[in-house]
Amino acid sequence: DSGVTQTPKHLITATGQRVTLRCSPRSGDLSVYWYQQSLDQGLQFLIQYYNGEERAKGNILERFSAQQFPDLHSELNLSSLELGDSALYFCASSVVATDGELFFGEGSRLTVL
Amino acid sequence: QQQVKQSPQSLIVQKGGISIINCAYENTAFDYFPWYQQFPGKGPALLIAIRPDVSEKKEGRFTISFNKSAKQFSLHIMDSQPGDSATYFCAAWSASKIIFGSGTRLSIRP
Repeated sequence: DSGVTQTPKHLITATGQRVTLRCSPRSGDLSVYWYQQSLDQGLQFLIQYYNGEERAKGNILERFSAQQFPDLHSELNLSSLELGDSALYFCASSVVATDGELFFGEGSRLTVL
Repeated sequence: QQQVKQSPQSLIVQKGGISIINCAYENTAFDYFPWYQQFPGKGPALLIAIRPDVSEKKEGRFTISFNKSAKQFSLHIMDSQPGDSATYFCAAWSASKIIFGSGTRLSIRP
């Protein structure tokens, strides 16, 4: 158990809909990262937050947005969903924003029908 | 320049053999190189990591070899076991950004 909690574990929705994925980082970790992993694909970096502030941005679509709240949990919002958005979405946390160990949650599997 | 290139994409090794996965990078600003292991249905987990001031790091059956001049690093799994069957990702840190390789699916045949 990494200590990172992601909900929901599975989500099935229709095209055009909007969903919110939630992540609770490890206790004490200030940095949260979001990754997308499609079938047989690598880890695509979406966005990073550090202590409530956006720290780095990757290949995140404009239809997607995220935030980190004062209690350090984070939410990833996906809107106007398309079939191609079906993927595993991972949240990871770390103590600091620079090099070090990332602790990954078990992911939220999103299926868009 | 931000890419980390990983090979092979998939690898099949007999039980007891040596598994070798290679990664190469371009950005000399990378200063921390971890390897992550991911089992099906799970998130990746840190396996072993190295900094560029050493050429090799060993933890049990897992060894990272690092060649700074060639900008390459590799993971060696000695005496590979069926329980090592997983997807392995190399990665590299630069400032606050971590870049992952594309992953290698390793299967160990009994």
